[in-house]
Amino acid sequence: DQQVKQNSPSLSVQEGRISILNCDYTNSMFDYFLWYKKYPAEGPTFLISISSIKDKNEDGRFTVFLNKSAKHLSLHIVPSQPGDSAVYFCAANSNTGKLIFGQGTTLQVKP
Amino acid sequence: GAVVSQHPSRVICKSGTSVKIECRSLDFQATTMFWYRQFPKQSLMLMATSNEGSKATYEQGVEKDKFLINHASLTLSTLTVTSAHPEDSSFYICSASRQESTDTQYFGPGTRLTVL
Repeated sequence: DQQVKQNSPSLSVQEGRISILNCDYTNSMFDYFLWYKKYPAEGPTFLISISSIKDKNEDGRFTVFLNKSAKHLSLHIVPSQPGDSAVYFCAANSNTGKLIFGQGTTLQVKP
Repeated sequence: GAVVSQHPSRVICKSGTSVKIECRSLDFQATTMFWYRQFPKQSLMLMATSNEGSKATYEQGVEKDKFLINHASLTLSTLTVTSAHPEDSSFYICSASRQESTDTQYFGPGTRLTVL
């Protein structure tokens, strides 16, 4: 039972345009959501997070939106840069402290 | 910052040997450390959760006698893969969360284990 789903395995975007990565979850007990960026053969790097009491959190080029009623969150990167090319994982945290990860979306930003 | 290190970054060993992987939080004290493994092109799979001074909690399907976890201090956790076999070859990643904020986990760079 995949509680956190990233239905798009890959995304290709032109440099300077917006990248939108999507994530859906099924468990309404999740109260904190995170996005991580991962390069091959490296550990994930924390990007941005959002609490379930908010619907938007912004940090520089990265904005995360949360729609609790739809159990959906998205990560917007604007403007996209070639260095953003990586695998992006969304993760959900319940009060157990454990992170449940999505399958990841590979973003390619073309120059 | 929130820096987590792992050592070694890669290890190649013969079948039947044991391998120890260290995970350290360098600039913060970690109440809890987590161990994950990742197979190629797949998501991170949580193996176990360890709290300093207590026994690790293993996820379903993870053999605790196979993957020994020791969390000796607030900055160090070790994972020992005992009697490693080729099917244990994987990318092992640890993470740690701060004492004061347990919502976010910070990940180490990972250890590539290859068992011949």
